[in-house]
Amino acid sequence: QKEVEQNSGPLSVPEGAIASLNCTYSDRGSQSFFWYRQYSGKSPELIMFIYSNGDKEDGRFTAQLNKASQYVSLLIRDSQPSDSATYLCAVNIPGNQFYFGTGTSLTVIP
Amino acid sequence: KAGVTQTPRYLIKTRGQQVTLSCSPISGHRSVSWYQQTPGQGLQFLFEYFSETQRNKGNFPGRFSGRQFSNSRSEMNVSTLELGDSALYLCASSGDRGEGGYTFGSGTRLTVV
Repeated sequence: QKEVEQNSGPLSVPEGAIASLNCTYSDRGSQSFFWYRQYSGKSPELIMFIYSNGDKEDGRFTAQLNKASQYVSLLIRDSQPSDSATYLCAVNIPGNQFYFGTGTSLTVIP
Repeated sequence: KAGVTQTPRYLIKTRGQQVTLSCSPISGHRSVSWYQQTPGQGLQFLFEYFSETQRNKGNFPGRFSGRQFSNSRSEMNVSTLELGDSALYLCASSGDRGEGGYTFGSGTRLTVV
């Protein structure tokens, strides 16, 4: 079983819609959770992190964490064509070990 | 605040050669990690260095090695290059316990011919 699982997609949404990206993790000791965005040919860029159960909002982005269900999600409201990228979920376990999912490819259709 | 700097950006090497990649972390970050990224495998963890010591290691053969210097700069070495080593190699730095997540460098694109 992989440490972090994501639906690889591709996920397509129309411009202005809400994009929902999901991630599950296996290690209950995971302490912090991250979402990265990676444009084709570029390196990953951190867009959100969350440590506590519940929701965390930053502009058009909302991260949701449910530790009991070992589930993290990212919502992108009012999706824009510039949001088209691969989104990577990552978790950090004690000892500073990061595990990444394989990423979900998102396409926002104008 | 300067970001993570990786050099060189691009490399072309021949099978059997060796290569050394360099990474300068964000000032104050003592943890430096290396990843290999290929289209089919995603991000694969190579190793993490903290205060000049390897703290975590992934499942790569011994041909892949690294080190970290007292100023936290890190180098990664791949010996006896194989065609399958062609990939984007990413360096990332973070706080001591990963607080705030990683910041990635721009990567080194290695092509083995």
